[in-house]
Amino acid sequence: DGGITQSPKYLFRKEGQNVTLSCEQNLNHDAMYWYRQDPGQGLRLIYYSQIVNDFQKGDIAEGYSVSREKKESFPLTVTSAQKNPTAFYLCASSSTDNEKLFFGSGTQLSVL
Amino acid sequence: EDQVTQSPEALRLQEGESSSLNCSYTVSGLRGLFWYRQDPGKGPEFLFTLYSAGEEKEKERLKATLTKKESFLHITAPKPEDSATYLCAVRVAGGGNKLTFGTGTQLKVEL
Repeated sequence: DGGITQSPKYLFRKEGQNVTLSCEQNLNHDAMYWYRQDPGQGLRLIYYSQIVNDFQKGDIAEGYSVSREKKESFPLTVTSAQKNPTAFYLCASSSTDNEKLFFGSGTQLSVL
Repeated sequence: EDQVTQSPEALRLQEGESSSLNCSYTVSGLRGLFWYRQDPGKGPEFLFTLYSAGEEKEKERLKATLTKKESFLHITAPKPEDSATYLCAVRVAGGGNKLTFGTGTQLKVEL
């Protein structure tokens, strides 16, 4: 079945630690996105990539980093510089000529 | 700055009690308005895309409409399985495929 797979479902970060969230898609989509969701707030865009080896900052990129070495994969690293990382992280993808976004099932990140 | 505002924040309905959710937007060139459904602990699921004022789309008990300033999601005779958070998002000119989301309406349908 085609879709977007995010892992892990739950992740815990210790103080000063970098953690990486995985996002893989087999929809053959060119564009991929990372959103952060906090209670009572809308989804906020962290980073997006419209093509392999290229990505742009979204509205809240500070403290995060990404890479796009393969079309299928768009991992997100939450660095120690992100002081408030606890949130629900959502990965999405879309084809360049169809703006509908398909979402993964999310990763809940918490701080120990 | 592009803004998307959803109301109400939360809505409780009895089964069969029809109602509407509102999404108002202020953007510099709308290129699409999207409705998603999100269940707790899961990713949003696509419902509709609307492109121009006057457009309407339906799916089962849901009907989405669009004007130049807002969109409504009408729920007719809801059932408990319609309980979810409904998200509205916009795509704007010059923004590629990025979506700007509202904060959502949390709907609970009770027996």
